[in-house]
Amino acid sequence: QKEVEQNSGPLSVPEGAIASLNCTYSDRGSQSFFWYRQYSGKSPELIMFIYSNGDKEDGRFTAQLNKASQYVSLLIRDSQPSDSATYLCAVKLKTGANNLFFGTGTRLTVIP
Amino acid sequence: GAGVSQSPRYKVAKRGQDVALRCDPISGHVSLFWYQQALGQGPEFLTYFQNEAQLDKSGLPSDRFFAERPEGSVSTLKIQRTQQEDSAVYLCASSLGYRDQVSPLHFGNGTRLTVT
Repeated sequence: QKEVEQNSGPLSVPEGAIASLNCTYSDRGSQSFFWYRQYSGKSPELIMFIYSNGDKEDGRFTAQLNKASQYVSLLIRDSQPSDSATYLCAVKLKTGANNLFFGTGTRLTVIP
Repeated sequence: GAGVSQSPRYKVAKRGQDVALRCDPISGHVSLFWYQQALGQGPEFLTYFQNEAQLDKSGLPSDRFFAERPEGSVSTLKIQRTQQEDSAVYLCASSLGYRDQVSPLHFGNGTRLTVT
């Protein structure tokens, strides 16, 4: 079992809709959770991080964390075509080094 | 520039050749990471430095892979006797903190290695 699991998609939503991206992780002791966006041929860029249960909002983005269910999600409101990218979920374990474990990513397409 | 800089951007090597990939992290960032990203996959951890100390190299796939950061700044990832399965994008990332909880990684643009 991989440390971080994501549905690879592709996920298609119409412009203006809410896109919901989901991620589960295997290590119950995981500390911090990150969402990165990666455009084709580009490097990952950080969108949000969350480490407490509940919701964290930043503009059109909301990260949700449920440690009991070992589940983290990213909601994108009012989706725009420019949001079309691969979204990577990453987890930092409680023990071990500073490195992040990444999922395989979910490819999102926002249809104009 | 203020970001993580990697060179070369693209590298084509014949099977069996040695390659060296360079990473220049953000100034002042203590932690430096190397990741390998195959097509359609997420980044896979290779190795981690805190200043000049290599604290974790558990992700290096074989003893053909070697990384160093001798002065705690620029890092080089070296791959000896390259094989076709080494073809991937090699990402370098740096972060500000030691082991603080939410020090995010800042990635460079990567080096795309193709082994023919």
